[in-house]
Amino acid sequence: DVKVTQSSRYLVKRTGEKVFLECVQDMDHENMFWYRQDPGLGLRLIYFSYDVKMKEKGDIPEGYSVSREKKERFSLILESASTNQTSMYLCASSLLGLRRAEETQYFGPGTRLLVL
Amino acid sequence: QKEVEQNSGPLSVPEGAIASLNCTYSDRGSQSFFWYRQYSGKSPELIMSIYSNGDKEDGRFTAQLNKASQYVSLLIRDSQPSDSATYLCAVNWGFNKFYFGSGTKLNVKP
Repeated sequence: DVKVTQSSRYLVKRTGEKVFLECVQDMDHENMFWYRQDPGLGLRLIYFSYDVKMKEKGDIPEGYSVSREKKERFSLILESASTNQTSMYLCASSLLGLRRAEETQYFGPGTRLLVL
Repeated sequence: QKEVEQNSGPLSVPEGAIASLNCTYSDRGSQSFFWYRQYSGKSPELIMSIYSNGDKEDGRFTAQLNKASQYVSLLIRDSQPSDSATYLCAVNWGFNKFYFGSGTKLNVKP
């Protein structure tokens, strides 16, 4: 079974703090993704990575950065947390996806972040 | 702007009935379509994927795809209270870049 883990289930931070969210997958997947999920807005892609040290912006990258130094680990960084970054953050991973059966994204349990 | 549209619901059906969930998408070039189920407070889990026009059945679940109408649906037969969740439609626009709908909340009443 694919296992995607996230460093924290719940996190409370103050405005202006630097926040690190970590995601680890154990299935040697090439692709990793960070989403945020807000009521009524669904899942929105922040960043994704298709290889070590490679990253691409998603639809809402402003205020975030990412790091992928090892294949299994993908970190999301909030450089200076703001209240509008209060959300559920979901990490996902998938194979490279050259074949359709490989496209499926598998999600971690999520981190619920509250910025005060 | 690529869009995936779902009715937010809630959709309420009695136990044993058929639940029908619908999704439309904006990009005609989309090739892969997915339904995820998300229980409250949990992360999404894959139910089904569909790539070709027509129906695809897996147990009590049937996914239907009509690319000409840019429409994908999920039917749940013999609905159970344990099916109560939010169902997310996802479309792969290429290179594993998924776009998700905001989800339809399903309530199955005992």
